[in-house]
Amino acid sequence: SQQGEEDPQALSIQEGENATMNCSYKTSINNLQWYRQNSGRGLVHLILIRSNEREKHSGRLRVTLDTSKKSSSLLITASRAADTASYFCATADYGNNRLAFGKGNQVVVIP
Amino acid sequence: GAVVSQHPSRVICKSGTSVKIECRSLDFQATTMFWYRQFPKQSLMLMATSNEGSKATYEQGVEKDKFLINHASLTLSTLTVTSAHPEDSSFYICSAYGDSYNEQFFGPGTRLTVL
Repeated sequence: SQQGEEDPQALSIQEGENATMNCSYKTSINNLQWYRQNSGRGLVHLILIRSNEREKHSGRLRVTLDTSKKSSSLLITASRAADTASYFCATADYGNNRLAFGKGNQVVVIP
Repeated sequence: GAVVSQHPSRVICKSGTSVKIECRSLDFQATTMFWYRQFPKQSLMLMATSNEGSKATYEQGVEKDKFLINHASLTLSTLTVTSAHPEDSSFYICSAYGDSYNEQFFGPGTRLTVL
């Protein structure tokens, strides 16, 4: 399966600022998902965007998908200290439920 | 949402011993479960796909005799790390796919440390 790949960024921002991270992948996908992982913990599903969607919102999260560029972005608006975590994108192939995870972005929100 | 549990949450064992990790879907039936491995500050790497009642499908480079997977029921899959060595120390995460949800749900992970 293809590998989602984020730009290898570690973001450190002030509380209240927006955080943007990107993800790119290599082949056709059914959907792309974003997850959050707090240190040493399991994954929390944030949002899923299907291949025929271009933008999706969920609370303070905004995800875009550009299938022509094979890329996605996750925007967290008005960040909070509790948003401090690693964020991963994961792509799913057509026909199966296997997920390929990107490298992850470490986000630190400074109170 | 659906809940997936893992047991134990952390385990320390001696080199050469075997360790079994359980993954349970608590409130839904999971026809498919997945096992991932995560090294510190790295991403999740899919190890194998486990389907209830059939043999697991392992990803390239994952030794099936080393990592034994059993998916005996629609709510339980186990991963046994056989003859563990220090290089097997890692964070192991399972996920369960629920047909009714059309989504994977992740367990909290198991931290394995092999001395």
